[in-house]
Amino acid sequence: NAGVTQTPKFRVLKTGQSMTLLCAQDMNHEYMYWYRQDPGMGLRLIHYSVGEGTTAKGEVPDGYNVSRLKKQNFLLGLESAAPSQTSVYFCASRDSGNYEQYFGPGTRLTVT
Amino acid sequence: TQLLEQSPQFLSIQEGENLTVYCNSSSVFSSLQWYRQEPGEGPVLLVTVVTGGEVKKLKRLTFQFGDARKDSSLHITAAQPGDTGLYLCAVRSIIQGAQKLVFGQGTRLTINP
Repeated sequence: NAGVTQTPKFRVLKTGQSMTLLCAQDMNHEYMYWYRQDPGMGLRLIHYSVGEGTTAKGEVPDGYNVSRLKKQNFLLGLESAAPSQTSVYFCASRDSGNYEQYFGPGTRLTVT
Repeated sequence: TQLLEQSPQFLSIQEGENLTVYCNSSSVFSSLQWYRQEPGEGPVLLVTVVTGGEVKKLKRLTFQFGDARKDSSLHITAAQPGDTGLYLCAVRSIIQGAQKLVFGQGTRLTINP
């Protein structure tokens, strides 16, 4: 039981490049989330999903897109990366009957 | 304006000392969670407090929910280097019609051997 996994762990992009971050969970959770964590800002919600095929905007969605084609996977896309998107990205999931969120180990993204 | 204010933002103490960190708000919440995040990892849930005045203990960690359910404290007795990490409080809040988890900015705790 791996819990929540994220790939890649580290990535460096040039401004304007695109990439996709993959989150996978093996706990059969309904809800999945993407956060970004910046110094002094805590965790801020980018997008979330309440089930397969559904997505919704969080607190800071601009510049990101997501997809949840399979229940176990939640993808975060950056179409045209900007230096302001340099951050650590965390994926999380939870069961519908429990408010505990399980987090992945994070992806450290640097945009130059 | 932050929904949750955590203090202090940074705390560095010697092994064996006691400490308290705080999570404050002007809003009332049905529950509050504390997470710990170790360097290079994601946050892990420590405890959820639900009732005003509730006290929960987790080994040397004592969590208290304020009587009015607006604030919470985390007290660590005889801190150990393994307690080093970022401590985050979080609450459920309705944002844009949906219930989401909102985090404070965290207290970064360093325990020096």
